[in-house]
Amino acid sequence: KAGVTQTPRYLIKTRGQQVTLSCSPISGHRSVSWYQQTPGQGLQFLFEYFSETQRNKGNFPGRFSGRQFSNSRSEMNVSTLELGDSALYLCASSLSGPGRQQETQYFGPGTRLLVL
Amino acid sequence: AQTVTQSQPEMSVQEAETVTLSCTYDTSESDYYLFWYKQPPSRQMILVIRQEAYKQQNATENRFSVNFQKAAKSFSLKISDSQLGDAAMYFCAYRSAKGGSEKLVFGKGTKLTVNP
Repeated sequence: KAGVTQTPRYLIKTRGQQVTLSCSPISGHRSVSWYQQTPGQGLQFLFEYFSETQRNKGNFPGRFSGRQFSNSRSEMNVSTLELGDSALYLCASSLSGPGRQQETQYFGPGTRLLVL
Repeated sequence: AQTVTQSQPEMSVQEAETVTLSCTYDTSESDYYLFWYKQPPSRQMILVIRQEAYKQQNATENRFSVNFQKAAKSFSLKISDSQLGDAAMYFCAYRSAKGGSEKLVFGKGTKLTVNP
């Protein structure tokens, strides 16, 4: 079974631009979570989607948004990029669902975003 | 809010020796999950081991085992017979068992170096 895939793997943007990152979960997985990883703040939870609905959201400004499609693929968007948005963005998927809270999350390789 | 603390930013171990990585957490909940994830230089986050809080028995996965002390809110990882491939960042993570969310709260990580 293919793992979690993220595209693109690397991205360079300038301040003020916007960016969209994509995550394809493992086949059959319905839950997708996003994390931001930086050397200073470590791994921080951005948001989580299940069956096209945002189930939980971290403490990030409204410039960070996301969505999930009917095939469970997810995208996250960052508008008006700032230098501090430079980070590794990780996506994770799990089977999740009612009665399946014990499912493990599997991570993708991440998208490295550099904002200049 | 739950917090996870890894007090050892860096650790080193000789090949074939044993090393223990520390993790403490703070929560008011009684039901939760704890994880150790490994992130090698390639950046793919991999699950090493998981522990359900309701289980008193410590989890074991081959050379990896945990010492789960619920009352002390401590969750250490022991790596036996260390191998060069064990070199990586290790993250301790917490997940609540309530509400159906998959959100993980991570510690800052411990960088493990394995010396030949």
